Amino acid sequence: GAVVSQHPSRVICKSGTSVKIECRSLDFQATTMFWYRQFPKKSLMLMATSNEGSKATYEQGVEKDKFLINHASLTLSTLTVTSAHPEDSSFYICSARGQGVVYEQYFGPGTRLTVT
Amino acid sequence: SQQGEEDPQALSIQEGENATMNCSYKTSINNLQWYRQNSGRGLVHLILIRSNEREKHSGRLRVTLDTSKKSSSLLITASRAADTASYFCAGGVYDKVIFGPGTSLSVIP
Repeated sequence: GAVVSQHPSRVICKSGTSVKIECRSLDFQATTMFWYRQFPKKSLMLMATSNEGSKATYEQGVEKDKFLINHASLTLSTLTVTSAHPEDSSFYICSARGQGVVYEQYFGPGTRLTVT
Repeated sequence: SQQGEEDPQALSIQEGENATMNCSYKTSINNLQWYRQNSGRGLVHLILIRSNEREKHSGRLRVTLDTSKKSSSLLITASRAADTASYFCAGGVYDKVIFGPGTSLSVIP
């Protein structure tokens, strides 16, 4: 199946700093990428949908100035957590969908963010 | 917002037994998908059933979908210790996938 990678897999940062997480589709062109957040022992919450070359669409309650999403190419989307706080600590997972495949999403392995 | 509600939230069975997890959803969907997640890891797509399908099989997995009741079930037959994981249903609505809270399955050797 299609492969999606995330980098870094784990990151620890100090409160007030910004952290960038990359999501890459390795063997296909991803016209749409999705970013999810998962708290311990909880389900995935969709944060935003990003389409290549356009602004991301954020779900209700997600601060777009806090979670900056850029989908600059068909293989790369980035999520930047700005001015991170301990409550931003979470597991962030991206998924990618290829051209013409409406229902199939391929998930990355996730990034564990810890803000101290 | 979450689309599905899983039942039970936690399930513990002996190896070799069958495990059944149920999912109910609130809004209309194009498809329903089941995913597996090992602790602290990413998601693995298990199976997708479209809204016009009623049952689907994949290996030891059997999924049913009842759109009139807005519910789905995932059956894992002859469970193995390696099946221990969290299982999520997710409703596909146009190009989005909205996840339910998940069922934590423990298979005891």
